Amino acid sequence: EAGVAQSPRYKIIEKRQSVAFWCNPISGHATLYWYQQILGQGPKLLIQFQNNGVVDDSQLPKDRFSAERLKGVDSTLKIQPAKLEDSAVYLCASSLIRGRRKNGYTFGSGTRLTVV
Amino acid sequence: AQTVTQSQPEMSVQEAETVTLSCTYDTSESDYYLFWYKQPPSRQMILVIRQEAYKQQNATENRFSVNFQKAAKSFSLKISDSQLGDAAMYFCAYRRALYNTDKLIFGTGTRLQVFP
Repeated sequence: EAGVAQSPRYKIIEKRQSVAFWCNPISGHATLYWYQQILGQGPKLLIQFQNNGVVDDSQLPKDRFSAERLKGVDSTLKIQPAKLEDSAVYLCASSLIRGRRKNGYTFGSGTRLTVV
Repeated sequence: AQTVTQSQPEMSVQEAETVTLSCTYDTSESDYYLFWYKQPPSRQMILVIRQEAYKQQNATENRFSVNFQKAAKSFSLKISDSQLGDAAMYFCAYRRALYNTDKLIFGTGTRLQVFP
């Protein structure tokens, strides 16, 4: 099966600019996650979708971050305006709702954002 | 709240030797999953091994095995016959077993270097 696709792979922006990341999950995976991975730390969940509804966005800085998942498939994550501390890798992952698959999660290769 | 701690920022091993990476966690749940993920420079998170908390038997996957001590809340990864391709960041992660789509909680990672 095709993996989780993310773009762009790299992005450099100046602080106070806006940026958007795109994720296409594995076909049939109803749950989609955005994780933020700051250098030297483990990934931290920003937002979780089930189909096109939000399940958990408790760690999303809503004053500057927004995310949507139209039609329960692709998702975009936006930052506006960006701050220096937003420099990180943004990982997208998807999983099935049901099933006992050994690896419930599949991660994309992430977008590395540098804010200067 | 659940937490995952990896106290070894870096480890190194000689090719063909054995190395153990440590992980401790904290939770009040009785049913959960523990994982070890590998993150190479490509940034994609790759599942190495998974342990279900209700299973007393330690999980093994070829050269990878875990030592799961539920009472001590300890979950270490042993890599036998280390290979150059094992060099990467390794993350320990926790997930509640309540829902298959629950979020992963990661530790801060251990960078493993493998020397020829």
